[in-house]
Amino acid sequence: QVQLQESGPGLVKPSETLSLTCTVSGGSISSYHWSWIRQPPGKGLEWIGHIYYRGSTNNNPSLESRVTTSLDTSKNQFSLKLSSVTAADTAVYYCARLQLPDFRLDYWGQGTLVTVSS
Amino acid sequence: SSELTQPPSVSVSPGQTASITCSGDKLGDRYTCWYQQKPGQSPVLVTYEDSKRPSGIPERFSGSNSGNTATLTISGTQAVDEADYYCQAWDSSTVFFGGGTKLTVL
Repeated sequence: QVQLQESGPGLVKPSETLSLTCTVSGGSISSYHWSWIRQPPGKGLEWIGHIYYRGSTNNNPSLESRVTTSLDTSKNQFSLKLSSVTAADTAVYYCARLQLPDFRLDYWGQGTLVTVSS
Repeated sequence: SSELTQPPSVSVSPGQTASITCSGDKLGDRYTCWYQQKPGQSPVLVTYEDSKRPSGIPERFSGSNSGNTATLTISGTQAVDEADYYCQAWDSSTVFFGGGTKLTVL
């Protein structure tokens, strides 16, 4: 059974970089593709981006200039960096496994709340 | 446009059939999937590739997709089905979510 766990600071200052890591257990990250999704408090889901098992990425055009995702196969982890954050980036951030051909997200982490505030 | 439109809320009586729609331009030309999210929990995939069900999802959940509309149908709705539901599709390797529908069972 695949399990995902997000980790990282729960509080980030405006203009700084948000950094999160997703640790995968029960399967190798080298065999699948992976995504980041966020959900502002009381609002809907927003796709951030995904990283394919070979390391190429696709990101939400609205966040493209600020998003970096990467894989660490030695630790079975993948990570998200979101630069120049503002209060609008306050959200629960989820990592998930991506399956093709329909880009469905079949396993999700529990989510981690990141608040942007000084 | 790849915008997906869902009704904000749907109400259904226990035991009845609930239908939640997701509209988008030529949506039927792309695969669509659906997620269920209960308060304080992560989303759970309930249908994929328009009409398939992951293992462990009850048979009362079914999906369809044609023209500009995808539909999630819950037959014999139970109180435990009360949740937010999101449709999802993709275009040019970009993922899109609908705005979500709150299903109330009353």
